[in-house]
Amino acid sequence: DTGVSQNPRHKITKRGQNVTFRCDPISEHNRLYWYRQTLGQGPEFLTYFQNEAQLEKSRLLSDRFSAERPKGSFSTLEIQRTEQGDSAMYLCASSLVGKGQYFGPGTRLTVT
Amino acid sequence: RKEVEQDPGPFNVPEGATVAFNCTYSNSASQSFFWYRQDCRKEPKLLMSVYSSGNEDGRFTAQLNRASQYISLLIRDSKLSDSATYLCVVNRGDNDMRFGAGTRLTVKP
Repeated sequence: DTGVSQNPRHKITKRGQNVTFRCDPISEHNRLYWYRQTLGQGPEFLTYFQNEAQLEKSRLLSDRFSAERPKGSFSTLEIQRTEQGDSAMYLCASSLVGKGQYFGPGTRLTVT
Repeated sequence: RKEVEQDPGPFNVPEGATVAFNCTYSNSASQSFFWYRQDCRKEPKLLMSVYSSGNEDGRFTAQLNRASQYISLLIRDSKLSDSATYLCVVNRGDNDMRFGAGTRLTVKP
């Protein structure tokens, strides 16, 4: 399967813990995006990379959130000191510049 | 007001019906437009791009009216497998995508 992959698929954590998610994009795609989606809403943009450069961060991305794409391939999204409001589906997508985005299956985070 | 607004639905239609979804966007500088489909607890999947001249892919027709900042998706001869949430997506430029909240469609036998 050469699509976008994400790990883990599900994560349950206690409030205050740190979590890290990984995204492996489609190999030839130079753009990589992170979104958050809650029930009944469309995906909300968090941040995106072109190659290894992080080009934009949403105001939704508080100081507790950090994303990296160190070699321009896979990316990680870390949430520090998780809060119950962080519970959501975290989606990764990749694309070529100017083309539609292809999503991974998402990581469902539950903060208890 | 949200940047991308869609009919909230849900739309419940019988098999074979024609159904239309509407979407409006507020950023007049938006450059490209897409429809995505999202099944329950699955990731969004690109359904089709939307071009100013209108475009068709089988039973699906997408239209764009830049002057009115309006996008539509028409599904003809709907199938049970079309049941999903349809997301309107606007590219504000440089692949800065904004998603609508989605319109839920249920096709019934």
